[in-house]
Amino acid sequence: LAKTTQPISMDSYEGQEVNITCSHNNIATNDYITWYQQFPSQGPRFIIQGYKTKVTNEVASLFIPADRKSSTLSLPRVSLSDTAVYYCLVAPPYNQGGKLIFGQGTELSVKP
Amino acid sequence: EADIYQTPRYLVIGTGKKITLECSQTMGHDKMYWYQQDPGMELHLIHYSYGVNSTEKGDLSSESTVSRIRTEHFPLTLESARPSHTSQYLCASLGQGNSPLHFGNGTRLTVT
Repeated sequence: LAKTTQPISMDSYEGQEVNITCSHNNIATNDYITWYQQFPSQGPRFIIQGYKTKVTNEVASLFIPADRKSSTLSLPRVSLSDTAVYYCLVAPPYNQGGKLIFGQGTELSVKP
Repeated sequence: EADIYQTPRYLVIGTGKKITLECSQTMGHDKMYWYQQDPGMELHLIHYSYGVNSTEKGDLSSESTVSRIRTEHFPLTLESARPSHTSQYLCASLGQGNSPLHFGNGTRLTVT
């Protein structure tokens, strides 16, 4: 199982771009990388998922270098409502089973 | 939006009581998971299931037990609640393909 390491916390201001990097040095060949956002007293919710290179959706971008040993979640122009904990999860494809183990997460604080 | 439901949302109970936390999903997902999360801390996997009659222990030792008699239902039981069981319990399910985990909103348990 790939162990993930993220910064414990980050601070930002409204309107800035925020980049959160996750290290996963022992990622397996078929593992996918998924990022989740969690607000207090709620379950995590999906943000974005990728395997390699770059993925973009309406809320974020995910950058994965060629060696796949890290990934960076990019949040453009954050607002106060983006204050939350962000987790990266590295996991095998569905048919390969395996436990889904989360790392510590990054607590993002967006200030006005 | 995924349909995964947890009840109760909040529970305050005395030491020694038996409790069951309910988790149901209507998506027909085979894989389901229970995580335990203390305030401000990471998610810890305590149980998971790959389908009916399949249950496995997660990475964090837990005195709770689970059952999976029906695909849609994955209840967690504590035979004798203790104050050390005070925590948030999050249930999740996983669909086939590369779909992400879908989480419920959790049950916040307080044992007095």
